[in-house]
Amino acid sequence: KNEVEQSPQNLTAQEGEFITINCSYSVGISALHWLQQHPGGGIVSLFMLSSGKKKHGRLIATINIQEKHSSLHITASHPRDSAVYICAVRRGNQFYFGTGTSLTVIP
Amino acid sequence: GAVVSQHPSRVICKSGTSVKIECRSLDFQATTMFWYRQFPKQSLMLMATSNEGSKATYEQGVEKDKFLINHASLTLSTLTVTSAHPEDSSFYICSAPDGSSGNTIYFGEGSWLTVV
Repeated sequence: KNEVEQSPQNLTAQEGEFITINCSYSVGISALHWLQQHPGGGIVSLFMLSSGKKKHGRLIATINIQEKHSSLHITASHPRDSAVYICAVRRGNQFYFGTGTSLTVIP
Repeated sequence: GAVVSQHPSRVICKSGTSVKIECRSLDFQATTMFWYRQFPKQSLMLMATSNEGSKATYEQGVEKDKFLINHASLTLSTLTVTSAHPEDSSFYICSAPDGSSGNTIYFGEGSWLTVV
């Protein structure tokens, strides 16, 4: 069993739709990261969470430490949001990665 | 903002040769850097943790003699794939937590290695 489970694995949405990607983890963590990987391979760290909620533009990330669960929301989705979104948890110097959610936003 | 630069972005090498990939933190000091590999359509796999001034810590199943890691300065870590085989062809990427809080992680651009 993976320490980090993400759902859904693949997601196709129409432009403008509200999108939610979920992440559940089974280990105690010091932080949770949401990463975005574009087709060329480059990875950008979107959020680092240890509690509560963060917002950046159209992106919102929440975490529930008790339930070991985090969600990434995209409001008013746009084709440029098409990418793979990866949930990663940090436990000391150990990182555990979800398998990623491949998002395609259709115009 | 802080940037991690990785070089080369793409490299093709012959079987049996060695190839070095560099990871630099450009405007912050990184005492720790992480090296990952990623196969197509799979997630990142942590290979090793590179520690400045000491030996790297390798994940289970990663051959330390094949994947040599050197973290000689606070801004540079290198990964050398020795005696490369076609099955080593993969996407390799590094990351470093920022020096101040360690809470933000910056990723390099990644390196596509093809062994022929």
